[in-house]
Amino acid sequence: GAGVSQSPSNKVTEKGKDVELRCDPISGHTALYWYRQRLGQGLEFLIYFQGNSAPDKSGLPSDRFSAERTGESVSTLTIQRTQQEDSAVYLCASSLTERNYGYTFGSGTRLTVV
Amino acid sequence: AQSVTQLDSHVSVSEGTPVLLRCNYSSSYSPSLFWYVQHPNKGLQLLLKYTSAATLVKGINGFEAEFKKSETSFHLTKPSAHMSDAAEYFCVFLSGGYNKLIFGAGTRLAVHP
Repeated sequence: GAGVSQSPSNKVTEKGKDVELRCDPISGHTALYWYRQRLGQGLEFLIYFQGNSAPDKSGLPSDRFSAERTGESVSTLTIQRTQQEDSAVYLCASSLTERNYGYTFGSGTRLTVV
Repeated sequence: AQSVTQLDSHVSVSEGTPVLLRCNYSSSYSPSLFWYVQHPNKGLQLLLKYTSAATLVKGINGFEAEFKKSETSFHLTKPSAHMSDAAEYFCVFLSGGYNKLIFGAGTRLAVHP
């Protein structure tokens, strides 16, 4: 597609449940990033994928968070045993290469844990 | 440590008056810096970027920013605010490893008639 697509746009889940968030990057973009934006705050880096290289997971806040990406296509971010502090907007971005500087962001998934 | 600080969490201006959103960075290396805008319920949009070329960078919608190494600043300006400029603005720093955008906390710009 023309942009980065994320689904669902909104997700309400009960505390303790697992959730899966999806990101479709722009076709041909080798780099993919996940960020988290808590209410009224800036973006926190979570994880970065570049082609077939090992992902940079240094931003994942706990072992409840994991992400997968197959090749240069769709990525899924999974949060297990959700907690209320996980409530945030989860944003995905892609770029042509890691040094392209052309980061395109999706509209995000708003996750609310009740 | 590499970081970026936005000095104002909220800025309010009248339509037609100048806009100044302040950003300071900390880096041991020559940085790459960006300004992004986020309108309500919309995705992040790149306004402009500095990547060690001209220090005065022009972006979309009449915005521009000047990289000042001596002041470690990258302030965003616009000569005349428009109602449609009301949004959240983020100053962003690209880390030395080129794989992480580090975001400032954001500045919410309100534009009054």
